Formats: sequence, C-alpha cells, structure tokens
Amino acid sequence: EPEVTQTPSHQVTQMGQEVILRCVPISNHLYFYWYRQILGQKVEFLVSFYNNEISEKSEIFDDQFSVERPDGSNFTLKIRSTKLEDSAMYFCASTTRGVYEQFFGPGTRLTVL
Amino acid sequence: GQQLNQSPQSMFIQEGEDVSMNCTSSSIFNTWLWYKQDPGEGPVLLIALYKAGELTSNGRLTAQFGITRKDSFLNISASIPSDVGIYFCAGPWAGTASKLTFGTGTRLQVTL
Repeated sequence: EPEVTQTPSHQVTQMGQEVILRCVPISNHLYFYWYRQILGQKVEFLVSFYNNEISEKSEIFDDQFSVERPDGSNFTLKIRSTKLEDSAMYFCASTTRGVYEQFFGPGTRLTVL
Repeated sequence: GQQLNQSPQSMFIQEGEDVSMNCTSSSIFNTWLWYKQDPGEGPVLLIALYKAGELTSNGRLTAQFGITRKDSFLNISASIPSDVGIYFCAGPWAGTASKLTFGTGTRLQVTL
C-alpha cells in the first residue's frame, strides 16, 4: 500500500541553524501539507501546497518557514533559523482528492538545543 | 480560538470491553475524520464521514456524524491490546480549503 515517507526520522540542531525536513508524498497525490505536534499536544496545521504554491498557511508559518516541491516527488519544509520552540514532531500529509482524507507520514522529530 | 473538544481525555478499559468517545465543536462541520496515533508515529486515518447522520464502520470501529453537525462519535467494539493509542477527531473549518483542525485527543489504554 502506498505511503507517505519522511526523512530524517530525528533531527537535532542548534538554535539559529537552518533545517530542511523532507517528505515523499504518495505518488498520485496533488495536495501536500505540513503539520506539527508539540510533545503531548494536538496536531496543528502549518501549511498546504497545491499546484506549486501555498494555498493556506497558519499563524505559526511565519517568514522563518518555507516549503518547496523541488522535483516531482519530494516536498520539503525549511526552517531558516530554528528556535527552541520549534522542537516538535513535524508531519507531512498528502491527499489526492483535494479534500479531507489526508494521509500522514511517520513524522520527523525535531529537537532544537 | 476554534477548538474541537474530545471526551473523555483518557480511558482505561479491559480487553474485550466496548469503547465510546466523542468530539464536539462550537461550529458546524461538513466532514469529520477519525485518526489513531501510536506513540512516535503519524496519525492513521480510520474513518471519514461526509453527511449528517451518517454511520460508517471499519471493522470493529463505528463512527457517526452527529445530526447537529457539531459532533461526532467513535465506538470500538470488543477492544484488544493493539487498540491502545490516541484517537483524534479532525475536520476542516467552514471557509477553509482543506486544512484540518485536530481535536484534543482521547488516550485509550487497554488492560488485559
């Protein structure tokens, strides 16, 4: 069964460093998302991406964040200058219908020291 | 801000028991989704509901879209140890394209 994959599974970085989180969505999906989950809390929406542009973003997704689909298979989330409060699990999701049945990857645990 | 509230927050049950949990909103939803999350993993989609009053099953799981469109219910029958995890409801707020808002979660623990 096709699935969303994410790399790395765990990323440790120093405050102020740039990180890039990578995702390979399900191959025939057209809509891509990033969510994050701070430890012990609920999953929060960051950004949605369709047709090579951002379609929606949350207040969390400020100028320090960017997303890109550099080729036909990868979808990346970049954090330019990480802060301690960026420590969280980051989930990529995708869907084919452009509606709501989103399929999530296993996540990248980001630890900012 | 807008929030989906789930209850109970956590529950301990014995293997073989049935489980009920619910999710409520202050606003109307047109779609309800139920996800399960295992520790250290991503949410896994269990059931999607698209019509008020709809009742949908997936194995031992049954979910209902409340007729007021402000709530949804998930039932698990004859629980087994692998049902352990956190169950989240989710849905798109009216006026948003497709971003999902997640509920606060119900943590289920099963004892043998």
